[in-house]
Amino acid sequence: DTAVSQTPKYLVTQMGNDKSIKCEQNLGHDTMYWYKQDSKKFLKIMFSYNNKELIINETVPNRFSPKSPDKAHLNLHINSLELGDSAVYFCASSQDTPEQYFGPGTRLTVT
Amino acid sequence: AQRVTQPEKLLSVFKGAPVELKCNYSYSGSPELFWYVQYSRQRLQLLLRHISRESIKGFTADLNKGETSFHLKKPFAQEEDSAMYYCALRVLTGGGNKLTFGTGTQLKVEL
Repeated sequence: DTAVSQTPKYLVTQMGNDKSIKCEQNLGHDTMYWYKQDSKKFLKIMFSYNNKELIINETVPNRFSPKSPDKAHLNLHINSLELGDSAVYFCASSQDTPEQYFGPGTRLTVT
Repeated sequence: AQRVTQPEKLLSVFKGAPVELKCNYSYSGSPELFWYVQYSRQRLQLLLRHISRESIKGFTADLNKGETSFHLKKPFAQEEDSAMYYCALRVLTGGGNKLTFGTGTQLKVEL
C-alpha cells in the first residue's frame, strides 16, 4: 500500500541515451512534483503538475520532459543524458495542504 | 525571490546533548515553514510545520519573523535522530504549492 512509488529505484546508463522514470501515487492527490537531489544533497523542484496540467517549470533544460497521463501518474523522460544529470530524482504529491508526500527516489547514474 | 539557508552542512552532537539546526529564510510574503527529515535509506517525510506549533519526536521549531528564522531544536538528542534535515518554505504560485528547500543539515548523534 505504498503511497508514492517510483520505478526504477536505480538507473545506470550512458551519456547520450534517453531514459524515463515513472511515478505513481495512490493517495488521490491532484498535484504531483519532480525534485532533483544532487551529489551535495541539495533538493530542488523541477516540475509540478495539477490535474495533468503543468503549473511549475523551474528552468529545467528542455531535455527533461514530464508527462502526466492521468492525475495518479507523473513520468519524467530525459533525452540525451549528460553526466550532470546524475542525481537522485524524487517524485512527490500533495492535495490542498502544504504537506508533500515523497517517493523513495530514483538514483540515476550517467557514465 | 524566496530563499532558505541552512548554514551547517553537518552537525555532530553527543547523545543526550541539546540540538539546534539552524534555518533562515527570505521571502516577501507571509511565510509557511516546514522541517522535513530523511532517515538513512528512507524517503523524505514531513517532521513538523510552524503553523501547528507541535512537538514531534521531541523536536520543536518556532517561527521568528523578526530574525526570519525557523530553527529546529531538541533538548536531548537520541541516536535515532541521526538523519538529514531540510528546512522548507512554502510558496503559493499559479495554483501550485511549491516548496523551496534549504541545502540540508546532516545530523549525526554519537554515543
